[in-house]
Amino acid sequence: DTEVTQTPKHLVMGMTNKKSLKCEQHMGHRAMYWYKQKAKKPPELMFVYSYEKLSINESVPSRFSPECPNSSLLNLHLHALQPEDSALYLCASSQGASGGWTGELFFGEGSRLTVL
Amino acid sequence: GNSVTQMEGPVTLSEEAFLTINCTYTATGYPSLFWYVQYPGEGLQLLLKATKADDKGSNKGFEATYRKETTSFHLEKGSVQVSDSAVYFCALTLTGTASKLTFGTGTRLQVTL
Repeated sequence: DTEVTQTPKHLVMGMTNKKSLKCEQHMGHRAMYWYKQKAKKPPELMFVYSYEKLSINESVPSRFSPECPNSSLLNLHLHALQPEDSALYLCASSQGASGGWTGELFFGEGSRLTVL
Repeated sequence: GNSVTQMEGPVTLSEEAFLTINCTYTATGYPSLFWYVQYPGEGLQLLLKATKADDKGSNKGFEATYRKETTSFHLEKGSVQVSDSAVYFCALTLTGTASKLTFGTGTRLQVTL
């Protein structure tokens, strides 16, 4: 199984809603990532989890809250978002981070978020 | 700082044409270099990589050679297909940058019959 599965594929939410994005991988990877991608732009790193601990937070606003319940699952909790947060949110995994980092990421298909 | 510069797109080619997408980089150390591809409606996939100077990465008919003297990693394919239509991202990472990839802005390739 070489897939990273993300749900939902599409999400529309109001600025006062609370929602979550979910990501799952069964490749035994120990590092998982959230990226944000705006149209016609490269992905921007948001968070990195290594061995289920948050290792990188790229100064992301607190209205985005990541969670890694176990080594296979990664969530992104969303609350009080702004319309400019509308984007494609990509989850990725890799075999390792830090000392095990090779640059090879496995991406999911993304969750397209629209904030009204 | 570290950065990756790619040629502006879109690149439009006829099927079976030769493809070159230029990529140059600036890095403070000795980076590993990558090409990722994003097909419509999908996430990114690693296409090929090279970890040191003069290495050639190859996959699915695509090739790129790590040129330290010109700080380049140009992507080439001898004969493109309609199914190659996608956005191509050049990227680098440095040892010790702990899980960070620096991406270029992406180049959209459109292949027509």
